[in-house]
Amino acid sequence: NAGVTQTPKFRVLKTGQSMTLLCAQDMNHEYMYWYRQDPGMGLRLIHYSVGEGTTAKGEVPDGYNVSRLKKQNFLLGLESAAPSQTSVYFCASSYSSVNTEAFFGQGTRLTVV
Amino acid sequence: AQSVAQPEDQVNVAEGNPLTVKCTYSVSGNPYLFWYVQYPNRGLQFLLKYITGDNLVKGSYGFEAEFNKSQTSFHLKKPSALVSDSALYFCVIDGAGGSYIPTFGRGTSLIVHP
Repeated sequence: NAGVTQTPKFRVLKTGQSMTLLCAQDMNHEYMYWYRQDPGMGLRLIHYSVGEGTTAKGEVPDGYNVSRLKKQNFLLGLESAAPSQTSVYFCASSYSSVNTEAFFGQGTRLTVV
Repeated sequence: AQSVAQPEDQVNVAEGNPLTVKCTYSVSGNPYLFWYVQYPNRGLQFLLKYITGDNLVKGSYGFEAEFNKSQTSFHLKKPSALVSDSALYFCVIDGAGGSYIPTFGRGTSLIVHP
């Protein structure tokens, strides 16, 4: 039982490049989330999904896209990376959104130069 | 709208002393409140939650939190701090008013000195 696995763990991109971050969970959770963590700002929600085939915007969705084609996977895409997207990205999953705890991946440290 | 505030960016405490990490919240309706901990270069881990019932909630690693509805607070406490408790702590509000979006506080860095 691996929990929530994020790949890659580190990445350096040049401005304008694209990439996809993969999140996989093996707990059969319905809800999945992508957050970014920046110093002094806590975690901010980028996009989330309440089930396979569904996605919704969070607090800071601009510049990102997501897909949830399979229940266990939640992909975060950057079509044209910008230096402002330099951050640590965390994926999380939970059985439901209300009154259940979330399980987090180890994070992806992304630097855009 | 729901929100949480962690008024202290950093809390310093000596090992063996009690610790408190503060959290206040704002929400319409009944809140669901959580505490998570993040150790350096790691993901977040769940500590404890308040849904309903007893206002004193016990969680992992000897931590507990007290829900106070009149003061809209959910402070994290531990009777005797350990150096290994040094980490970043997040207060989270979730699910209030039908929202699907958990809202995180900015985090409080706890530093326990030997």
